[in-house]
Amino acid sequence: DGGITQSPKYLFRKEGQNVTLSCEQNLNHDAMYWYRQDPGQGLRLIYYSQIVNDFQKGDIAEGYSVSREKKESFPLTVTSAQKNPTAFYLCASSMGQGGSNEQFFGPGTRLTVL
Amino acid sequence: RKEVEQDPGPFNVPEGATVAFNCTYSNSASQSFFWYRQDCRKEPKLLMSVYSSGNEDGRFTAQLNRASQYISLLIRDSKLSDSATYLCVVNYNRKLIWGLGTSLAVNP
Repeated sequence: DGGITQSPKYLFRKEGQNVTLSCEQNLNHDAMYWYRQDPGQGLRLIYYSQIVNDFQKGDIAEGYSVSREKKESFPLTVTSAQKNPTAFYLCASSMGQGGSNEQFFGPGTRLTVL
Repeated sequence: RKEVEQDPGPFNVPEGATVAFNCTYSNSASQSFFWYRQDCRKEPKLLMSVYSSGNEDGRFTAQLNRASQYISLLIRDSKLSDSATYLCVVNYNRKLIWGLGTSLAVNP
C-alpha cells in the first residue's frame, strides 16, 4: 500500500532529552513537511523539504532539526531547546513543490514531554 | 485579520440536513484552495480541492468566490460519519495556510 508512515504513535520523553520522530513515504513524492498541532490552534509549519538534501525552515523551526538524505525519509528531531515540545506532530508529503499540490498526511506522533 | 478564517462552530445538525461552511482568506493572490476533514485525534485527510468553476463530489460541493475572497463547502444529506472538523486551506506564495477548522456534529 502506498502511503506515509510515522512512528511511534505515542512518545514520552523526559525534559531535556532530544527525540527523533520518523516519517517515511512510498508515494514517490518530492516534497515533505513537518507540522505541529496544538489544541485550539491550526497546523503550524516547522520545516519542509522540496528535494533530497535540501530543506527550509517553516514558521516555527526554533528547537527543531531535520534531514533529508533519502527521498522517502524526513526525520524530525525535537531538541532540548524547544520550549514547549508537547504536541501532535504531523508529517505530510506532496507530489510537487511550493504547496501547489495537495498534501497527504501520516497518522501523526503524539509527543509528551514530562 | 487572520490569513484564513473559519467559524469554529460547533454546527449541530440532524441526520439528513444540509449544512454549509464558509472560509474567508485575506490574500487576493491566493492560488489554490482545499478542504480537509480531521477526525478527533487523527491526521487531516483531503476532502476535495476547490476549483474556480466549483466542483462536486457526491454529497459535497465546493465553491470559490474570488471577488469576495471566500470558499464554501456544502454537505447534503448529512450522515453521522460526517461529524468531524473541516479545515480550509489556502495556497498563498507557494505555502499552505491552514484555517483553525469548523466543527460539525451530525446527530441521530
